Amino acid sequence: GEDVEQSLFLSVREGDSSVINCTYTDSSSTYLYWYKQEPGAGLQLLTYIFSNMDMKQDQRLTVLLNKKDKHLSLRIADTQTGDSAIYFCAESSGNKLVFGAGTILRVKS
Amino acid sequence: DAMVIQNPRYQVTQFGKPVTLSCSQTLNHNVMYWYQQKSSQAPKLLFHYYDKDFNNEADTPDNFQSRRPNTSFCFLDIRSPGLGDAAMYLCATSREGTRMIHEQYFGPGTRLTVT
Repeated sequence: GEDVEQSLFLSVREGDSSVINCTYTDSSSTYLYWYKQEPGAGLQLLTYIFSNMDMKQDQRLTVLLNKKDKHLSLRIADTQTGDSAIYFCAESSGNKLVFGAGTILRVKS
Repeated sequence: DAMVIQNPRYQVTQFGKPVTLSCSQTLNHNVMYWYQQKSSQAPKLLFHYYDKDFNNEADTPDNFQSRRPNTSFCFLDIRSPGLGDAAMYLCATSREGTRMIHEQYFGPGTRLTVT
């Protein structure tokens, strides 16, 4: 079945870049997503990438997709304290999403 | 603002006492989802409605039921909550007819405690 894996925790200093990695298993996934969850809140769609793309940039966010290795990454440039949250990678499967367990990003000032 | 609303935000129920969580949306999306999220785990899809069509996940316990009386509202009923059902329950919506059927809009969640 589908499976999405992420590292559990990342700590960075304010102003540095953050890179959150994810691996997935469903090679037929059309879209791959990054969601952000702040404490006590629901998930918020940050960005997504279509499976025939290698890279997508959206302001401070850069998504890289290595389809051969089924590896997805999210780079946050100039990380701010407000970026502290849990980041979920998700792959599309039919009309559903399969989420990873989330990466806790801690930004130290 | 168009949004997904969940009530209550926090719910405490007793072991075995039925409980209902509610979700409403002003987005007019035709697909609604219920997820269970336990601490440090991925959100787990319980079921979803595609319009009025109910789609249950194979591993969703029978203890969990859902109702969708109209486009805007969806309810999660837990018939006999056990201690293992304590979790955050997330409602989400998406819109058919776009490429982005998977672009889901989430409510803030209801945190369920079972005593």
